[in-house]
Amino acid sequence: LAKTTQPISMDSYEGQEVNITCSHNNIATNDYITWYQQFPSQGPRFIIQGYKTKVTNEVASLFIPADRKSSTLSLPRVSLSDTAVYYCLVGDNAGNNRKLIWGLGTSLAVNP
Amino acid sequence: DTGVSQDPRHKITKRGQNVTFRCDPISEHNRLYWYRQTLGQGPEFLTYFQNEAQLEKSRLLSDRFSAERPKGSFSTLEIQRTEQGDSAMYLCASSFRGPGTYEQYFGPGTRLTVT
Repeated sequence: LAKTTQPISMDSYEGQEVNITCSHNNIATNDYITWYQQFPSQGPRFIIQGYKTKVTNEVASLFIPADRKSSTLSLPRVSLSDTAVYYCLVGDNAGNNRKLIWGLGTSLAVNP
Repeated sequence: DTGVSQDPRHKITKRGQNVTFRCDPISEHNRLYWYRQTLGQGPEFLTYFQNEAQLEKSRLLSDRFSAERPKGSFSTLEIQRTEQGDSAMYLCASSFRGPGTYEQYFGPGTRLTVT
């Protein structure tokens, strides 16, 4: 099972772009990379998922280099409400995502 | 569809008592997961159902924990003879196994406090 490594915490200011990088050196061929957001006392919320290159949705972008050993979640123009913990996970999208291993995540603090 | 719901949202119990939590997944989702999360940690996988079948159970889960999903709809998680170390947030998530992405949709959680 692929493990991930992320910074424990990050600080930013409103309006800035935030990039959170995750390392997953042992990612398997069938693994997808998924990011979740969690606010205090709430369940995690899916943000974005990708396999390679770049994925963009209305919330974020996900950049994945060719070797797929890392990925970067990009949050454009963050606001105070983006203060949360962000988790990076890797897993087999074909059916084994029940074994996703959740690390400590990255605690993002957005300051005014 | 109102998403994944969990009941109760909070539970305080005395050590040694049994507790049961309920999870109602998104109706068309055939996969259901239970996680446990303590302060400052990521969710820890407990068990997983596909329809009514419990396909995996974490080795970290003691025999005091049991989960069911009758008829592949709602699920219950029971903890027998609770211990103070069981105090945590218990999260339920559901997903749909089919073409496309497999993101898990989480409920609000049940916070258990064992005194």
